[in-house]
Amino acid sequence: DQQVKQNSPSLSVQEGRISILNCDYTNSMFDYFLWYKKYPAEGPTFLISISSIKDKNEDGRFTVFLNKSAKHLSLHIVPSQPGDSAVYFCAASDRRDDKIIFGKGTRLHILP
Amino acid sequence: NAGVTQTPKFQVLKTGQSMTLQCAQDMNHEYMSWYRQDPGMGLRLIHYSVGAGITDQGEVPNGYNVSRSTTEDFPLRLLSAAPSQTSVYFCASRDGPSNQPQHFGDGTRLSIL
Repeated sequence: DQQVKQNSPSLSVQEGRISILNCDYTNSMFDYFLWYKKYPAEGPTFLISISSIKDKNEDGRFTVFLNKSAKHLSLHIVPSQPGDSAVYFCAASDRRDDKIIFGKGTRLHILP
Repeated sequence: NAGVTQTPKFQVLKTGQSMTLQCAQDMNHEYMSWYRQDPGMGLRLIHYSVGAGITDQGEVPNGYNVSRSTTEDFPLRLLSAAPSQTSVYFCASRDGPSNQPQHFGDGTRLSIL
């Protein structure tokens, strides 16, 4: 049973426009959510996170929104740049458990 | 500061062979984890450790063993390799509980023939 779902395998966005990546989760005990970015032949790198007590966290061009009632979060990238082309993983954790569960990822293509 | 170092980067094995994937971190992190990445499957947790001498199973532990004798090292052992274990393996470490960002190595690409 997949606890963290990224239902869009890929997304193409024009350079300069907004990229919105979505993530859904099923475990209501998750209380922390993280986004990671991965380039080919490299390990994932941490991008931004949000605690379940917040509904928004912003860091430069990246903003994560959390809707707990819908068990949904999204990552907004504004404006999108060519270097943003990568695979983005959503991850979730429960403070009582030391595991971090990842989604399947969404491949973002920024078009010139 | 090297971060998380994984060796080897590439390996080809025959079915039934055994091998150990090495992972070392120099950040004095207590928490370490092993993931595998397969096409269309994302990152799946194999085993993790919350400190030296303590390990636990993740989502897909079968066919893998781990040990944590030191804070720095967290090797992953395949006792009898199977084609289903063909994957890219990532080791990660973090400084604290699960709300802390993980630092990943660059991965080991393993092929089982």
